[in-house]
Amino acid sequence: DQQVKQNSPSLSVQEGRISILNCDYTNSMFDYFLWYKKYPAEGPTFLISISSIKDKNEDGRFTVFLNKSAKHLSLHIVPSQPGDSAVYFCAASGRGNTGKLIFGQGTTLQVKP
Amino acid sequence: ETGVTQSPTHLIKTRGQQVTLRCSSQSGHNTVSWYQQALGQGPQFIFQYYREEENGRGNFPPRFSGLQFPNYSSELNVNALELDDSALYLCASRPGTSGIGGNHEQYFGPGTRLTVT
Repeated sequence: DQQVKQNSPSLSVQEGRISILNCDYTNSMFDYFLWYKKYPAEGPTFLISISSIKDKNEDGRFTVFLNKSAKHLSLHIVPSQPGDSAVYFCAASGRGNTGKLIFGQGTTLQVKP
Repeated sequence: ETGVTQSPTHLIKTRGQQVTLRCSSQSGHNTVSWYQQALGQGPQFIFQYYREEENGRGNFPPRFSGLQFPNYSSELNVNALELDDSALYLCASRPGTSGIGGNHEQYFGPGTRLTVT
């Protein structure tokens, strides 16, 4: 049972444009959501997070939106840069934060110069 | 500030053997989690350790076990290796007052690539 889903395996955008990565979840008990970026031969790097009591969190070029009624979150990168090319994972954490993060399958973003 | 480190980087084992993977947590972090990432998939939670005790476990059989030491470094042990155990094994640490709660953000090491033949 895939509780966190990233339905787009890959995304290609032009440098300077907006990248939008999407993530859906099924468990309404999740109360915290995170985005990680992963380069080849490296571990995932924490990017940005959002609590379920919020609907938006912004950090520089990165903004995460949460739509609880739709059980959907998205990561916006504006403007996209070639260095943003990586695999992006969304992850969810349950109430009480037991340390268990549930990850989606990942979306490979390619930003073309 | 030193990040999460893991050793070895790569490892090749034969089916049926046992393996030990090692992790040093980020400075100041007392909670460590281990994840398995199969090719093309997201990381899957194996277990979490706090104060040298396992206090959370994912859907992995008992042949996956761990240890956490007083200096917060940890080990992942896998017995009776199977071909499906071939994966990237990731260690992640975070500060936590009780293993439960605290920061949700976990900080990952570079991983150990295990190949079972």
